[in-house]
Amino acid sequence: EVQLVESGGGLVQPGGSLRLSCVVSGFTFSNYEMNWVRQAPGKGLEWVSYMSSGGSTIYYADSVKGRFTISRDNAKNSLYLQMHSLRVEDTAVYYCARGAFRLDAFDIWGQGTMVTVSS
Amino acid sequence: QSVLTQPPSVSAAPGQTVTISCSGSSSNIGNNYVSWYQQLPGTAPKLLIYDNDKRSSGIPDRFSGSKSGTSATLGITGLQTGDEADYYCGTWDSSLSAGVFGGGTKVTVL
Repeated sequence: EVQLVESGGGLVQPGGSLRLSCVVSGFTFSNYEMNWVRQAPGKGLEWVSYMSSGGSTIYYADSVKGRFTISRDNAKNSLYLQMHSLRVEDTAVYYCARGAFRLDAFDIWGQGTMVTVSS
Repeated sequence: QSVLTQPPSVSAAPGQTVTISCSGSSSNIGNNYVSWYQQLPGTAPKLLIYDNDKRSSGIPDRFSGSKSGTSATLGITGLQTGDEADYYCGTWDSSLSAGVFGGGTKVTVL
C-alpha cells in the first residue's frame, strides 16, 4: 500500500524550531518529487516547499523562505522539513504530498501533523 | 488572498450539476497544468483532476476538469451528499517559482 506518514508536530513557542518527518512506503521514493503543504485552522491549503527526486532542485513559498529547509534521505524513504524562527502564523496541519504541479500533480497525501506555535 | 480565485461556496440539490471556477493569470494557469483536490471534513486532500482534465485513478466520470486561457473549471454532475466537501484548484506559478492554490470552494448539497 502506498503511504505517507508525517510526524514531528507539536507545540512550540514563537521563535522556536521543529523538524517534521514524512516516511513513505509502497513505492520507490527516490523516483518521486515531493512537497510540503500546510493548512491553518479553518483556512485553505498553502503550498510550502518542493524538492526534486534527487534533491537538486528546491523551491519555497515566500512566507517560509529563509526559515524552513526541506531535505530528503532516499535511503531512509524519508522527507523532512526543518522549521526555524517559528511564528504564530505558522500554526497549521502540515502535509507531505507526492508529485509535482507540472506533471501529474499531488497524487498521494499523508494524514498530516499539527504544528502549534504559541506562547 | 490567494493567487488563484475561487468562489467561496456553491450549492445544488442532489442529482444536479455544479461548476467551480478557478481564475488566475498567464504566469500560473495560463501556462501550467491545473489540478483539483477534494477535502472531506477532517481528512487530507485527495487528487481528483490533474493536468487540467485527467481524472485521477478511481475518480468517477461525474467529475470533470477543463481549462481555457487563464481560468479552469471543475464540474460535478449527478451531485451526491457524499460530494459535500471543500474543493481546491492548484498549479505552478512560473513568476513566483512557487506552487499556488485557490482559496477553496465549499460544495453544499441542499
